[in-house]
Amino acid sequence: AQSVTQPDIHITVSEGASLELRCNYSYGATPYLFWYVQSPGQGLQLLLKYFSGDTLVQGIKGFEAEFKRSQSSFNLRKPSVHWSDAAEYFCAVADAGGTSYGKLTFGQGTILTVHP
Amino acid sequence: GAGVSQTPSNKVTEKGKYVELRCDPISGHTALYWYRQSLGQGPEFLIYFQGTGAADDSGLPNDRFFAVRPEGSVSTLKIQRTERGDSAVYLCASSLTGAANEKLFFGSGTQLSVL
Repeated sequence: AQSVTQPDIHITVSEGASLELRCNYSYGATPYLFWYVQSPGQGLQLLLKYFSGDTLVQGIKGFEAEFKRSQSSFNLRKPSVHWSDAAEYFCAVADAGGTSYGKLTFGQGTILTVHP
Repeated sequence: GAGVSQTPSNKVTEKGKYVELRCDPISGHTALYWYRQSLGQGPEFLIYFQGTGAADDSGLPNDRFFAVRPEGSVSTLKIQRTERGDSAVYLCASSLTGAANEKLFFGSGTQLSVL
């Protein structure tokens, strides 16, 4: 069965600092990979996704993520964090097999706190 | 509507009672998903609808949980004989066709509290 691990439960950064959130997955083949963000009182919002091709993907709000097959990782990065980025971030995988659909397996999430 | 709508936003019930949670997906989206998010955890898959049919209900924890989507749009998640362990946020999501690489649009969830 596929699984997703986000090693950091809580990360605190200063506004303007760079950010990297870690995500490792366990899956037999290359899955579809996603990062979602959840702000209080709001639904999960897709930041970016990876299916194939270029291993560095760009998303909304200045986020990017890099797929590293050798490390089974899909870490999320942002060069300069804004106070509005404070939220909970979830990495997720979906089966990329022929009969697959959008059934996601999520990591436990990383809470991001931004200090002014 | 513009997004996925879930009602109620909060539901408090007593142990043993029956509850219904409603999801109104984005118009035209054939795929609909229910997830459950416990405190401090990521969402966990419950059930997937393609049109009116439940294509995958492997995530439903037991037979107290049931979901329907009779006309291929609105869906209702039904929980019988609620238990305190059912307390969680229940999330609904929809996507256009159900393809694995599609973006899921999530509602804000229903916070269920079983006393």
